Amino acid sequence: DVKVTQSSRYLVKRTGEKVFLECVQDMDHENMFWYRQDPGLGLRLIYFSYDVKMKEKGDIPEGYSVSREKKERFSLILESASTNQTSMYLCASSSRTGKSQPQHFGDGTRLSIL
Amino acid sequence: AQSVTQPDIHITVSEGASLELRCNYSYGATPYLFWYVQSPGQGLQLLLKYFSGDTLVQGIKGFEAEFKRSQSSFNLRKPSVHWSDAAEYFCAVANYGGSQGNLIFGKGTKLSVKP
Repeated sequence: DVKVTQSSRYLVKRTGEKVFLECVQDMDHENMFWYRQDPGLGLRLIYFSYDVKMKEKGDIPEGYSVSREKKERFSLILESASTNQTSMYLCASSSRTGKSQPQHFGDGTRLSIL
Repeated sequence: AQSVTQPDIHITVSEGASLELRCNYSYGATPYLFWYVQSPGQGLQLLLKYFSGDTLVQGIKGFEAEFKRSQSSFNLRKPSVHWSDAAEYFCAVANYGGSQGNLIFGKGTKLSVKP
């Protein structure tokens, strides 16, 4: 089975801090994704990557950046955390064999910014 | 642009009753469609997917979904709901307008199960 592991289930940080969320997948997937999930808004794509050192903006990239130095690891960075970034963050990965491959999700990181 | 609509925000059914969750998509050609389930505090788990062929697809946990091109729908069904099915359900379509692998998600339907 595909395993997508997010480093923290719960995280509490302060306004203005630089925050790192880490995600690792063990299936040699080319594609990796970061979403945030808020009540009533569903999943919104922040950034995705389809190869090492490659990244593309999703629907809501403002205030975030990403890093993909190795194929299995995709990091989301909040450069200067703000309270409106309090949310559930979900990482996913998928194979790049055509467009039909499903995404596999981690368990999420619930981030609170105080 | 592609989109996915789940018209029902919250549905409550009795345990043992049948279930149908609605999903409508907008896309010109044959879409690639998915249903995911999210239990409280967890990530999303794939229930089933449709790419082509038989329009009735079977998934895990006793779920099935039917693709109806004429109605642009991909509704999820289960003949008899169990209390453990209480969760949030998301329909998604592959985004052909973006780079590889992107999915567009509906806003989800929360399912509650009455004893």
